[in-house]
Amino acid sequence: QKEVEQNSGPLSVPEGAIASLNCTYSDRGSQSFFWYRQYSGKSPELIMFIYSNGDKEDGRFTAQLNKASQYVSLLIRDSQPSDSATYLCAPKRRGSNYKLTFGKGTLLTVNP
Amino acid sequence: DTGVSQDPRHKITKRGQNVTFRCDPISEHNRLYWYRQTLGQGPEFLTYFQNEAQLEKSRLLSDRFSAERPKGSFSTLEIQRTEQGDSAMYLCASSFGGGMYNEQFFGPGTRLTVL
Repeated sequence: QKEVEQNSGPLSVPEGAIASLNCTYSDRGSQSFFWYRQYSGKSPELIMFIYSNGDKEDGRFTAQLNKASQYVSLLIRDSQPSDSATYLCAPKRRGSNYKLTFGKGTLLTVNP
Repeated sequence: DTGVSQDPRHKITKRGQNVTFRCDPISEHNRLYWYRQTLGQGPEFLTYFQNEAQLEKSRLLSDRFSAERPKGSFSTLEIQRTEQGDSAMYLCASSFGGGMYNEQFFGPGTRLTVL
């Protein structure tokens, strides 16, 4: 089982729709979870992080965490063409003060 | 610009040559990380510095790779005797402190092509 699994996509949604990006992880010691956005040819950009079960909202983005199911998701409301990018999920292990383990990422395409 | 900077942005080299990359972290950040990313994959951790001390190296970092952060500020990553399999984007990130938040901010990366 891979440490971090994401559907590679591409996930295609129409402009204005909700995009749902999913991530499962195998390490039960994971404590906090980071979502990065990466445009083609660019470096990852931190969108948000979550560490408590439940939802965390920031503007059009909502992160959801369920540690019992080892599942974290990112919802993008009112998707815009500028949201088209690869979204990377990165858990961080409890007690590890350095290492992020990234999934392969999900390619999102928002169609005008 | 107060973000993480990397130099060069692109490097093309021939197999067997040595290359060196530089990373300048955000000024108040004491932690610096190197990752490598190949096409279609997420970034893979290579090594980590807290101030000038290199505290962890991934198994991915063969003996041809060496990283330094001599004064706890900028860092260099050197690859000796490059191989075609070294072709990748080399990403540097920095953070302030550790703990559960550990928000790492990435530089623009150095894209290495080994011919």
